[in-house]
Amino acid sequence: EADIYQTPRYLVIGTGKKITLECSQTMGHDKMYWYQQDPGMELHLIHYSYGVNSTEKGDLSSESTVSRIRTEHFPLTLESARPSHTSQYLCASSEFRGAGGEQYFGPGTRLTVT
Amino acid sequence: AQSVTQPDIHITVSEGASLELRCNYSYGATPYLFWYVQSPGQGLQLLLKYFSGDTLVQGIKGFEAEFKRSQSSFNLRKPSVHWSDAAEYFCAATDNAGNMLTFGGGTRLMVKP
Repeated sequence: EADIYQTPRYLVIGTGKKITLECSQTMGHDKMYWYQQDPGMELHLIHYSYGVNSTEKGDLSSESTVSRIRTEHFPLTLESARPSHTSQYLCASSEFRGAGGEQYFGPGTRLTVT
Repeated sequence: AQSVTQPDIHITVSEGASLELRCNYSYGATPYLFWYVQSPGQGLQLLLKYFSGDTLVQGIKGFEAEFKRSQSSFNLRKPSVHWSDAAEYFCAATDNAGNMLTFGGGTRLMVKP
């Protein structure tokens, strides 16, 4: 069974705070992704990684940054949170080859910046 | 440019009625196709996928989808909808060149009792 975890599930934080959203997967997948999704809206890819030490920006410009020091871990950081960052953040992973690019998703982190 | 379109933003059906959610894609070659479901406040769960072969694909929770090359479509169907099927449904595609998934805008399904 696919296991991908995100913590925290919900976060309410004040403007200007630094936050890190955690994402971990136990499937040994090389590729990992971060999506931003406003309620009832489509998914926007903000970051992805092909493997350790690989990070790329996605289609939607984001003030967040990511790192990939270990295969299983792909945290997302906001240095200074703002109300415009309020959204749901979804992490996903997939195999580098094969499986046709199927992605496995975590449960999401709902971030509210006050 | 590659794209996935879900023409219906919202659909409401009565419980027990049949369901069809539309998905159209624009790709140079036959893409790999997926349907995901998202319950409120949750991540996305894969319902089914099409890679090749039989154009009618069976998935989890009683869903199926049919790939129609001539119409560039991959519509999702269910013969009898349950109240628990109320959710957001996303169609997605990739060209299997190691490229990203392209998602449609989603269709919100509401189920009337």
